Amino acid sequence: GAVVSQHPSWVICKSGTSVKIECRSLDFQATTMFWYRQFPKQSLMLMATSNEGSKATYEQGVEKDKFLINHASLTLSTLTVTSAHPEDSSFYICSASSTGGPSRRTDTQYFGPGTRLTVL
Amino acid sequence: AQSVAQPEDQVNVAEGNPLTVKCTYSVSGNPYLFWYVQYPNRGLQFLLKYITGDNLVKGSYGFEAEFNKSQTSFHLKKPSALVSDSALYFCAHGSSNTGKLIFGQGTTLQVKP
Repeated sequence: GAVVSQHPSWVICKSGTSVKIECRSLDFQATTMFWYRQFPKQSLMLMATSNEGSKATYEQGVEKDKFLINHASLTLSTLTVTSAHPEDSSFYICSASSTGGPSRRTDTQYFGPGTRLTVL
Repeated sequence: AQSVAQPEDQVNVAEGNPLTVKCTYSVSGNPYLFWYVQYPNRGLQFLLKYITGDNLVKGSYGFEAEFNKSQTSFHLKKPSALVSDSALYFCAHGSSNTGKLIFGQGTTLQVKP
């Protein structure tokens, strides 16, 4: 149980194009989904938190117009990197959680396998 | 400010020996602590979490972690390491009502045959 998928697993695009990454919870309904970015041999950097049917909450320093997040249903969130540039090349990971414990702080996040984005 | 620290960038252990990956925390209120493992070019896999109750938490793949309030630690342990345990390990704290996690910087575990 608690499987999260991401698609695509890797993508190469030209500078200036937009790329959409999908994150799906396969066997549970995700109240909240999170989007992270990870650089080689580093920890995860949270980009934004999204709740189904509402606008995403972006972390400080993350451009909301560049990284568009849509959480259209309880099983699907998408991240669109608009007008991608080489500096956007990174490993993007999503996670999903469902509220079940006494506090959101105790919810387990289940992670997708990640998407490797390379912008040429 | 709340933080999670993993003081070792890398831990090396021989196969069959016990392993420990260290984690300390500095949080306001109750700590809600998680361990995740990441294999190369993959997402994170949940191992275990401490919310309340028994200080010794058992998780997946034979891992366990001991919560120590006086030392503000939550070290990950396994009695007998496998080569396949070699990976990047993250400790995290559930920091807010949004469910946001605060991650440590990660520790690379290398198990040698």
